[in-house]
Amino acid sequence: AQSVTQLGSHVSVSEGALVLLRCNYSSSVPPYLFWYVQYPNQGLQLLLKYTSAATLVKGINGFEAEFKKSETSFHLTKPSAHMSDAAEYFCAVSESGDSSYKLIFGSGTRLLVRP
Amino acid sequence: DGGITQSPKYLFRKEGQNVTLSCEQNLNHDAMYWYRQDPGQGLRLIYYSQIVNDFQKGDIAEGYSVSREKKESFPLTVTSAQKNPTAFYLCASSGLVGEQFFGPGTRLTVL
Repeated sequence: AQSVTQLGSHVSVSEGALVLLRCNYSSSVPPYLFWYVQYPNQGLQLLLKYTSAATLVKGINGFEAEFKKSETSFHLTKPSAHMSDAAEYFCAVSESGDSSYKLIFGSGTRLLVRP
Repeated sequence: DGGITQSPKYLFRKEGQNVTLSCEQNLNHDAMYWYRQDPGQGLRLIYYSQIVNDFQKGDIAEGYSVSREKKESFPLTVTSAQKNPTAFYLCASSGLVGEQFFGPGTRLTVL
């Protein structure tokens, strides 16, 4: 069965510092991987996706993620945090052969940005 | 603009009452999904539909029902059998490679 683990329910960084949010997955087939961002009382917005093309994926707002098959990881990074990055981030996985495109979500990481 | 709309934004339910949450999309997507989100938790799948007039249970379907009479619409009914319905409900539809696009959500509170 697929699963997603996000290490750290809360991550705090200073403005301008590197952002690193961790995501590990388990899947018996090649996965599709996604990162979403959620601001308070809003829906989820897609940041980026990995669908078996380039292993380094660039997304919106300066975020990127690298798919590492050997480590079953898909960590999200941003070189320099902005105050506007404070939000909750979710990693999700689906199986490439699953036509239902069901997503399995991690429990989320809340990013706090200190001035 | 293409997108997903959910209504109402806030909904209050009395004990023993059924309520229906609306979800509409104009993205021409075949697949649609309903999720429940509780504080500090990820999203849990309630129901999904890959095509009109067909839908499947997700991980937490008990106490919920859905219909899919039109491609654009996928309403969710929270029945009186759902004993703990207070949560944030999110509707989504799926694009070409499975990325899901989400609506703004409905916050349901039991009085």
